[in-house]
Amino acid sequence: GAVVSQHPSWVICKSGTSVKIECRSLDFQATTMFWYRQFPKQSLMLMATSNEGSKATYEQGVEKDKFLINHASLTLSTLTVTSAHPEDSSFYICSARDSWREVSSYNEQFFGPGTRLTVL
Amino acid sequence: AQTVTQSQPEMSVQEAETVTLSCTYDTSENNYYLFWYKQPPSRQMILVIRQEAYKQQNATENRFSVNFQKAAKSFSLKISDSQLGDTAMYFCAFMRAGNQFYFGTGTSLTVIP
Repeated sequence: GAVVSQHPSWVICKSGTSVKIECRSLDFQATTMFWYRQFPKQSLMLMATSNEGSKATYEQGVEKDKFLINHASLTLSTLTVTSAHPEDSSFYICSARDSWREVSSYNEQFFGPGTRLTVL
Repeated sequence: AQTVTQSQPEMSVQEAETVTLSCTYDTSENNYYLFWYKQPPSRQMILVIRQEAYKQQNATENRFSVNFQKAAKSFSLKISDSQLGDTAMYFCAFMRAGNQFYFGTGTSLTVIP
């Protein structure tokens, strides 16, 4: 089955440092990936849409200079939290859309296991 | 803008009984998809069931079924013969044509032995 991995699964960093989170589609190609943020006991909030070879599209209210997204290949998207602060502590989840597997009229999408970020 | 509302923050059900989780949504789009996802303590999102808006027939997947009322913009999930492994957070989600998901606030379901 289709698998999406995220690395690291848990990261702790000091305030002011930058952290990179990777999202990989292991057995399929993903021209489009999505990044979500989930605060404790809350829902997933879409942050941005990552398109291979082009700039990411950010949701309203998400700082693109703080959350840098790079989608350099068909299997890898990265989210870099720059100058992290304690309020950035959250659970970050990516999803990847299978470029070739269509179900009905849309492409099947798969979620990664998430990355827990703690900023001290 | 799309909004998804789940009015039941927490629910519980006795093992082997049936429970229904509610979801309403608001959109001006005509072509879209609706989903129920399960998030156990591991935080991995697991697809439970999917419904295409253009289909009138309600989706079913083993013990899981939906009641899709397009005019009322309602999409409830029925879990039959509840099992202990069904204990999790359940999110209703709307997907627009661009494939972005918009999630509801979630319902925490506890199955009581």
